[in-house]
Amino acid sequence: DAMVIQNPRYQVTQFGKPVTLSCSQTLNHNVMYWYQQKSSQAPKLLFHYYDKDFNNEADTPDNFQSRRPNTSFCFLDIRSPGLGDAAMYLCATSRESAGNSYNEQFFGPGTRLTVL
Amino acid sequence: AQKVTQAQTEISVVEKEDVTLDCVYETRDTTYYLFWYKQPPSGELVFLIRRNSFDEQNEISGRYSWNFQKSTSSFNFTITASQVVDSAVYFCALSFGGSNYKLTFGKGTLLTVNP
Repeated sequence: DAMVIQNPRYQVTQFGKPVTLSCSQTLNHNVMYWYQQKSSQAPKLLFHYYDKDFNNEADTPDNFQSRRPNTSFCFLDIRSPGLGDAAMYLCATSRESAGNSYNEQFFGPGTRLTVL
Repeated sequence: AQKVTQAQTEISVVEKEDVTLDCVYETRDTTYYLFWYKQPPSGELVFLIRRNSFDEQNEISGRYSWNFQKSTSSFNFTITASQVVDSAVYFCALSFGGSNYKLTFGKGTLLTVNP
């Protein structure tokens, strides 16, 4: 029954040690998103894939990268995590078509990243 | 620029009370969508409702109701007869057109329903 799955739910990494977060979906949605949510704040969009097209937000640090090898999977790579990157990372999906960008996004449970 | 304001940072009520969460938005687009999401302590954002800018009809779903007023740029959310399980952070969000599928979120309102 799971629709948007994120692994792991909790991730601990060391300062500067690369880390990869995973997201998969069974909805066959063509758009996948990565959000960063820090404590008591709203989710902040980092980037999204529309099909295979990658769209980076202007203020997303270069330290954050993403890969989408196929429709179902999307990865968030943090090349050199800093203490300020500790947050909840949320993956979301939606089904979009040309001229219609208003569909609801379905969110996964998130991965809480701790940086030591 | 797009902006969503949820002026209420925290609300605390006693079970069975009615509670209204406020949302005010700003946009220059004539076509846009408004959303409400619920984020329980488990962390997952749960979609509650979507409303497009051309449909000002209010909506009721069980104990939930939404009041959309374009004249005041507001999209308020009311929970009737609140329950402990309603305790969560509630986010109002705005989506606009073009090639950008970005959701602009408000800062959220933490609702605590006490038994």
